[in-house]
Amino acid sequence: GAVVSQHPSRVICKSGTSVKIECRSLDFQATTMFWYRQFPKQSLMLMATSNEGSKATYEQGVEKDKFLINHASLTLSTLTVTSAHPEDSSFYICSAKQGKRTEAFFGQGTRLTVV
Amino acid sequence: RKEVEQDPGPFNVPEGATVAFNCTYSNSASQSFFWYRQDCRKEPKLLMSVYSSGNEDGRFTAQLNRASQYISLLIRDSKLSDSATYLCVVNNFNKFYFGSGTKLNVKP
Repeated sequence: GAVVSQHPSRVICKSGTSVKIECRSLDFQATTMFWYRQFPKQSLMLMATSNEGSKATYEQGVEKDKFLINHASLTLSTLTVTSAHPEDSSFYICSAKQGKRTEAFFGQGTRLTVV
Repeated sequence: RKEVEQDPGPFNVPEGATVAFNCTYSNSASQSFFWYRQDCRKEPKLLMSVYSSGNEDGRFTAQLNRASQYISLLIRDSKLSDSATYLCVVNNFNKFYFGSGTKLNVKP
């Protein structure tokens, strides 16, 4: 099956700093990548969709200047949480989709704690 | 209205039981449908795609009813290892929307 690797799996940072999360498709070319956030006991909420080489499309209510997404290659997308605050603490998960295939495959997730 | 609605459960069943989960979606133009499984504090993993004709994979059967905008998952002969949260997922124009998940606890 398709493998998506996300790094780091866990990060603790100070309020006001920025954190970068990487998402890599290891054995396929990810034409589209998705970033989600999941709060405890809640479902995954789509934050943004990015296609390789173009700007990300953000969901309503997600600040694009705060959550910077870069999808510079067919195997790598990054999410940078800028000026993190404690309320940004959450589980961030990426997923990747290849071309016309309908399934998406998920990274392992990153648990972000902002102190 | 939420894109995808699921009963959160939990469903507590004994080993060997048959259990069914349901899910409804709001956008009639949705193109594809899936069930994912998520273990505690882990990422979701694809369990199976869902087709109008129905599809079966071992003990798991998924069904889609487009007219009613309804998706189901049936698990037969439940195993302890089936304990997890089952997420109903709908793809609308290349965006994936998740239900809140149905928690299943299979007990010995």
